[in-house]
Amino acid sequence: LAKTTQPISMDSYEGQEVNITCSHNNIATNDYITWYQQFPSQGPRFIIQGYKTKVTNEVASLFIPADRKSSTLSLPRVSLSDTAVYYCLVGDKRGGANNLFFGTGTRLTVIP
Amino acid sequence: GAGVSQSPSNKVTEKGKDVELRCDPISGHTALYWYRQRLGQGLEFLIYFQGNSAPDKSGLPSDRFSAERTGESVSTLTIQRTQQEDSAVYLCASSARLDFTDTQYFGPGTRLTVL
Repeated sequence: LAKTTQPISMDSYEGQEVNITCSHNNIATNDYITWYQQFPSQGPRFIIQGYKTKVTNEVASLFIPADRKSSTLSLPRVSLSDTAVYYCLVGDKRGGANNLFFGTGTRLTVIP
Repeated sequence: GAGVSQSPSNKVTEKGKDVELRCDPISGHTALYWYRQRLGQGLEFLIYFQGNSAPDKSGLPSDRFSAERTGESVSTLTIQRTQQEDSAVYLCASSARLDFTDTQYFGPGTRLTVL
């Protein structure tokens, strides 16, 4: 049973805000939510992590509702260079294989 | 080191041959991870190390796959008797601790092609 569910793909025009939602209905009390970004021919790289409410950094914002059964990665004013695959992961601090489910991610294509 | 490095960057081999893929993690990182990514697909977790120990090998696709880590540093992923379905990019990552909240830093991957 997949720990997370994301849309397979999304398209957006340059300059728009993009919101990618991830469902994690079975998230556990101790689980955190982490998003990674993968450009073509590169390994993934960390974008943002959160536990509840809202987290913002220089790259993105992460919105987590009170029930934590979903989360939304928000990319402000996307550019062509934001074209990538975005992965949502959930897991607790203990580590271990069950925390390492990347899935297929969401392929974001930014259109000029 | 500056980041996670992997070698070779590309490997072409014939079906039935053995291959060895190398990962050099960031110095001091306790945890090391191997993933496989087939063309156009997501990441498939293979195995992780805490120090030199791999507590869970259930993610390895078959008994042709093995991995080891020495000196809490370099790791090698070995695939014996390669098959065409082994063709993929093999990615290695490391993190400071075996803790989900610690960022995983990925290498550039090794692209394996089995003819």
